[in-house]
Amino acid sequence: EAGVAQSPRYKIIEKRQSVAFWCNPISGHATLYWYQQILGQGPKLLIQFQNNGVVDDSQLPKDRFSAERLKGVDSTLKIQPAKLEDSAVYLCASSLEAGGPRNEQFFGPGTRLTVL
Amino acid sequence: GDSVTQMEGPVTLSEEAFLTINCTYTATGYPSLFWYVQYPGEGLQLLLKATKADDKGSNKGFEATYRKETTSFHLEKGSVQVSDSAVYFCALANSGYSTLTFGKGTMLLVSP
Repeated sequence: EAGVAQSPRYKIIEKRQSVAFWCNPISGHATLYWYQQILGQGPKLLIQFQNNGVVDDSQLPKDRFSAERLKGVDSTLKIQPAKLEDSAVYLCASSLEAGGPRNEQFFGPGTRLTVL
Repeated sequence: GDSVTQMEGPVTLSEEAFLTINCTYTATGYPSLFWYVQYPGEGLQLLLKATKADDKGSNKGFEATYRKETTSFHLEKGSVQVSDSAVYFCALANSGYSTLTFGKGTMLLVSP
C-alpha cells in the first residue's frame, strides 16, 4: 500500500514570495491533516479536513495561509506571502476516519521550507 | 489547553543500555496517548499507543504504560540498538476529531 506522498521535498524561497505544497493521502483515507514542524519543536496542527470539508483550522494563519482539498482526495497548502518565521517542515498526514479505532494518522515525509 | 512535556535531549546511550524517555501530559477528560518516532529524513511513524488508564502499549521492544494518577506515559526499552537512533515524540488526542498535540521531541543517539 502506498503511503502519504508529498511534494516538493525541499523548497527555498525569499520572503514575500508565494509557495505551494501538495499532498496525496493514502487511498480511501477520509481525513487529511497539515502540520507545521518548526525546528526543535513538535508538529502543530494547521488544518484538518474530513473529506473535502474543513473540520479544524483554528491554528491556521488565515491572512497568509490557505488550504484546499479538491474532491476529498489531494490537498494543497499555500503560503502567500511567506515570512521568515514560516521556515519549517510541513507534514501531511491522513487517517481512515477522524475518530474511533480507525483514526491512526499516517504521515508523509514532509516538505522542508526555507525562507530567506 | 492540552499540552505534552517531554524530557529534553539528546539522550546518548551505548548499545544494549536501558532507555527511559519521560513524558507527562495535561489534558481534560480521558485522552489517548501515543509515541511517534521520526528517523532521519523520514516522516513520523506511530510506535505505540494506549487508549485508557493502565493500558500498556508495546512495539519493537518499546513499552509505555498509561498512568492516569501521575499523568505520565514514559517510553522504555530494555536494550537499545544503534538503529533506534531517532527523534521520539509523545502525543495525545483528546477530542472527537482526534487532533494530536505533540511534545517537543527527544533525540536519542545510540553508539556501538
